Amino acid sequence: LAKTTQPISMDSYEGQEVNITCSHNNIATNDYITWYQQFPSQGPRFIIQGYKTKVTNEVASLFIPADRKSSTLSLPRVSLSDTAVYYCLVGPLTGTASKLTFGTGTRLQVTL
Amino acid sequence: NAGVTQTPKFRILKIGQSMTLQCTQDMNHNYMYWYRQDPGMGLKLIYYSVGAGITDKGEVPNGYNVSRSTTEDFPLRLELAAPSQTSVYFCASSYSMVAGSNEQFFGPGTRLTVL
Repeated sequence: LAKTTQPISMDSYEGQEVNITCSHNNIATNDYITWYQQFPSQGPRFIIQGYKTKVTNEVASLFIPADRKSSTLSLPRVSLSDTAVYYCLVGPLTGTASKLTFGTGTRLQVTL
Repeated sequence: NAGVTQTPKFRILKIGQSMTLQCTQDMNHNYMYWYRQDPGMGLKLIYYSVGAGITDKGEVPNGYNVSRSTTEDFPLRLELAAPSQTSVYFCASSYSMVAGSNEQFFGPGTRLTVL
């Protein structure tokens, strides 16, 4: 079961690029990396998912080095509305769901 | 589509009482999940289901029961409520567990307090 480690909190100013790193040293060969965003009093929302190298969508990029022992979620030009908790998940996507684990996440605070 | 809906939004139980948290999804998803989230913590998987009639335990199943008689509904039953079950409960669903179609869609949550 891949354990993840993220910074507890981060602060940023509006308009800056924010990079949140997740460490997952014991990631398995068939594990994918998924990031979710959670606003207060709401359920998490899927942001992005990847296996290796770089993945980009309309809201974020995910960078995964060759050894896959870490990953970085990149949020370009954050706004106040990006203030939320961000979770990194590592787990097999063709096996049992019982191995899915949300860590404590990274609390991002964006200010003017 | 309403997505994933949960009822009730809030509930206060006395120790020893029982209740059922309701969860319904209208996306024809095969997979459904129940999580609990304690204050300041991440989500922990309680139970999940891969389809009607099939359920399995997650990380923290003790004190809970589930059933999946239809694709749409996945109720969570608390028997003999205890203060340790005070938490926010989230239901989620996904089409599958395969990359590309495994995005989980979450409901708004049920805030449960056991006194």
